Amino acid sequence: DMKVTQMPRYLIKRMGENVLLECGQDMSHETMYWYRQDPGLGLQLIYISYDVDSNSEGDIPKGYRVSRKKREHFSLILDSAKTNQTSVYFCASSFSRGRNERLFFGHGTKLSVL
Amino acid sequence: QEKVQQSPESLIVPEGAMVSLNCSFSDSASQSIWWYQQHPGKGPKALISIFSNGNKKEGRLTVYLNRASLHVSLHIKDSQPSDSAVYLCAALYGNEKITFGAGTKLTIKP
Repeated sequence: DMKVTQMPRYLIKRMGENVLLECGQDMSHETMYWYRQDPGLGLQLIYISYDVDSNSEGDIPKGYRVSRKKREHFSLILDSAKTNQTSVYFCASSFSRGRNERLFFGHGTKLSVL
Repeated sequence: QEKVQQSPESLIVPEGAMVSLNCSFSDSASQSIWWYQQHPGKGPKALISIFSNGNKKEGRLTVYLNRASLHVSLHIKDSQPSDSAVYLCAALYGNEKITFGAGTKLTIKP
């Protein structure tokens, strides 16, 4: 069906709590991404995953970790969330790596850390 | 960190006007350059890409690429209110990092 699904859509957490953002895709894409989007900064790359248990840091990985145990599922974890991690988080997928192929994005998760 | 710069930051045009959006990238960008459209509260959606110097036309969209000047532009003909969105330019750096510009917010006035 060519879909990237993110859960939850909205999340409010207190500083210091753990956060789990989940992403699924139904296209059997090898490569998946986590970005965050802040006003004026555009999309910033947090992590890339090339397949199960094959992950690589993006440009702003500090404070985040990821998990990919199945090809169709990619999680972003914030251990002890900070207020500066308030943002909209987007998951994306593409067929393969190493080429600027079309990315398919989810609808995003709006995270507020109070 | 390699950059992608977009201009203008925002643009308001009347319905039916031609829209021109600009994007510049670093000389280490490889592969295709993509344009994405993002409506409020939604994820970006791929619109059109270009790999070779020159232009590419798809419907009301035309994209121009000049690798020598490190510049790509997107032109929207006969703009519609539904074209109101943020437009993002994306380039690939190294073998894996797809980097986005901050976007141009386009408003089409009916």
